[in-house]
Amino acid sequence: AQTVTQSQPEMSVQEAETVTLSCTYDTSESDYYLFWYKQPPSRQMILVIRQEAYKQQNATENRFSVNFQKAAKSFSLKISDSQLGDAAMYFCAIGPFRETSGSRLTFGEGTQLTVNP
Amino acid sequence: DTGVSQNPRHKITKRGQNVTFRCDPISEHNRLYWYRQTLGQGPEFLTYFQNEAQLEKSRLLSDRFSAERPKGSFSTLEIQRTEQGDSAMYLCASSLGRYQPQHFGDGTRLSIL
Repeated sequence: AQTVTQSQPEMSVQEAETVTLSCTYDTSESDYYLFWYKQPPSRQMILVIRQEAYKQQNATENRFSVNFQKAAKSFSLKISDSQLGDAAMYFCAIGPFRETSGSRLTFGEGTQLTVNP
Repeated sequence: DTGVSQNPRHKITKRGQNVTFRCDPISEHNRLYWYRQTLGQGPEFLTYFQNEAQLEKSRLLSDRFSAERPKGSFSTLEIQRTEQGDSAMYLCASSLGRYQPQHFGDGTRLSIL
């Protein structure tokens, strides 16, 4: 079984500043995928960034980057130059790599990010 | 790419009634997933289809729940004899292949009176 823990129910950041959202996970798999999804209020879940566990290099997508620490089973999301449109619930998720391990994503409880003007 | 479409957006029903939700995945996506999300929580996996075959089901999918994906296109999720605890957002996602990210729809919010 895979589990994901997001220990920060709420975070806030000033516009244009940087914020880091924390995520830890547990899995018995050696290969897996990690994701950050964003869910704005009453809107659909959007993929922010994806990391393959077999890659040592941290993924980046424009203002979004991750700090992936495989040994520590940690996967934090850094948002640089925060914008008002970044305000949303952010979910960390893990998915298996091997077909025999299934295809489900396991999500954390989420972190509500507020961006203050 | 028109995105994953779910209907209806909202469903209000009385306890004990049956409800059915529909999901239309992105057209070329062969994998389709159903999740349930309760207020303030992350989505929980319900079931997964590859084409028309239902390959994985969660323990959350009790006997009252059934999902189909005829001809590997759209999918339906039916809940029979609804209970208060079924109130949630039901999310559908699709992906092009195993190693491609899942794209989510807007969800169907179910409220049980």
